[in-house]
Parts: sequence; C-alpha cells; structure tokens
Amino acid sequence: QVQLVQSGAAVKKPGASVKVSCKASGYTFTGHFIHWVRQAPGQGLEWMGWINPNSGGTVYARRFESRVTMTRDTSITTAYMELSRLRSDDTAVYYCAREVRCSTCYTTFDYWGQGTLVTVPS
Amino acid sequence: QSVLTQPPSASGTPGQRVTISCSGSSSNIGSNTVSWYQQLPGTAPKLLIYSNNQRPSGVPDRFSGSKSGTSASLAISGLQSEDEADYYCATWDDSLNGRGVFGGGTRLTVL
Repeated sequence: QVQLVQSGAAVKKPGASVKVSCKASGYTFTGHFIHWVRQAPGQGLEWMGWINPNSGGTVYARRFESRVTMTRDTSITTAYMELSRLRSDDTAVYYCAREVRCSTCYTTFDYWGQGTLVTVPS
Repeated sequence: QSVLTQPPSASGTPGQRVTISCSGSSSNIGSNTVSWYQQLPGTAPKLLIYSNNQRPSGVPDRFSGSKSGTSASLAISGLQSEDEADYYCATWDDSLNGRGVFGGGTRLTVL
C-alpha cells in the first residue's frame, strides 16, 4: 500500500535550517510529483512547492523560493524539503503529499505523510 | 489572507445538507480544477473531491462538489457527527509563475 513516512519532530533555533524527509513506498516513486504543504498552529494549509522525483525539477511558492530547497534521492525513494533562515513564524507541521497523475490535478493529493512538527522558539 | 475565500464556519444538524463555498478569481478557480480536503483534528488532510466533482474511491456519495465560473462548492448531505472537521478547497493559480493555493478553511460543526 502507498505510504509516505516523514522524519520526526524538530526544534531549531532562529536562523538555522531544517531538513524534513519523506520516505515513499508502495508505488513507483518517479511517477508522481511530491508537494510540500505546511500548517501553522491553529491555521490553514499553505502550499510550499513541488518536486518532480523523475527529473528533480522543482517549483516553489514565491514566498519561500529564497529559503526552500526540495530534493530527492531516487535510490531510497525519499524526498526532502529544506527550509533555511528559520524564523519563529515557520513553526508549523510540514506535510509531504503525493500528486495524483492526471493532466489537471496540480493540487490533487491522494496520499499524505503524517506530518512533521518543526518548532522555532522565538 | 488566503487567495481562495471560504466561510470560517458552517454548521448543521444530523441528516441535514450543508454547503461550503470557495470563491476565487479568473487566474485560479476560473482556469483550473478544484479539490476539496477534509481534516480531522490532529490528522493529515484527506482528499474528498478532485477535478471539481470527482470522488476518490472510498469517499461516500454524500459528498459532492461543483464549480461555476470563479467559485466552487462542497455539499454534504445526510450530515453525520463524524463529518465534524475542517474543510479546505485547493486549486492552481496561474499568476506569479504558477502556484498551489488553498482556501482558509471552514470548520464544520454538527450540532
């Protein structure tokens, strides 16, 4: 069965970086884009960007593109999201999600990771 | 401020039909398909509707979606207590070189 398993919670100091992993299994890793979505405490969902595991190509949300790097390692079917220059308002649960393969399904995510809480104390 | 506008709250009694709206613009809902997600407390979102009105397998037919112009709606009929959750709409926005966008979310309360 399809699974996305993320790395554990992290506490980081302001100005530091965090790298969250997303281990995929149960499907062809290179066949589906992986998106990253975050959710601050008590807030809504925020799209951060996607990576094409086949080519390594990425698209980032404008507000993150100077601080985020999405990568993948196809040998271990794992995607990564690294966010740098952390601030207290980056405190959130970070999710990876698999995009459905269809020509119009850019924000259709059928499987999600369990979420990774990243805390940046102020 | 979310690009897609949803009412912050909605409510209904068991058995009722409720609808949740999602308003956007020509660059997002007007040009792309809409998905809907249900999020129970402390869990990851779950896909409810995609391509405006398609249900993934396993999603009850009590849930339905529609889109007209720059707005979309999620309808839940035969409301049940387990439907109490947060609901989000999502679509692609063609402005700013393309980006995913979510609504601010609607908390549904089953009275």
